[in-house]
Amino acid sequence: GAVVSQHPSRVICKSGTSVKIECRSLDFQATTMFWYRQFPKKSLMLMATSNEGSKATYEQGVEKDKFLINHASLTLSTLTVTSAHPEDSSFYICSAPSRAEGYTFGSGTRLTVV
Amino acid sequence: QKEVEQNSGPLSVPEGAIASLNCTYSDRGSQSFFWYRQYSGKSPELIMSIYSNGDKEDGRFTAQLNKASQYVSLLIRDSQPSDSATYLCAVNLVLGSARQLTFGSGTQLTVLP
Repeated sequence: GAVVSQHPSRVICKSGTSVKIECRSLDFQATTMFWYRQFPKKSLMLMATSNEGSKATYEQGVEKDKFLINHASLTLSTLTVTSAHPEDSSFYICSAPSRAEGYTFGSGTRLTVV
Repeated sequence: QKEVEQNSGPLSVPEGAIASLNCTYSDRGSQSFFWYRQYSGKSPELIMSIYSNGDKEDGRFTAQLNKASQYVSLLIRDSQPSDSATYLCAVNLVLGSARQLTFGSGTQLTVLP
């Protein structure tokens, strides 16, 4: 079946540094990738939608300059959290439409900013 | 009004009982509906998808969709402790060539041995 590989699974970084999260579609082409954020005991909140070859579409309230999204190829999308702060600590998950109406999720990245 | 609403729970049922999870959605243009299970610290995994009115059964799981009432539910028969997780209802809306999955807030289910 369709697989999206997400790395890293966990990362701890210092305040002010940047962190890059990668999502790769392993056996299918992902022209679109959705990036979600999830706080403890809360649901997934869509942050942005990346499209291969064009600019990402950000949801209202999400800072474009802070959460940089790049969709470099049909199999790779990246999210970079720039100048991270403790309030950016969260669980980040990517997802790609994989077949018909289905979606495949990455395994998630637990970001802790200290 | 939230786009996708779920009974927030938490919901506790004894082992072997039926667990009933409910979800309503606001956009009548919604075309496909999903139930995901999420264990703590993990990403969601697809349990059921349903696209037309009526019931869809897969093993111990039954999804029910009523588009007129904008309601979708998930029944888990013979609940097991391993079913304890958060269940997320998700609704897919297609706008032209774009589609987007919107999640409910989730229902935390605990199956008591």
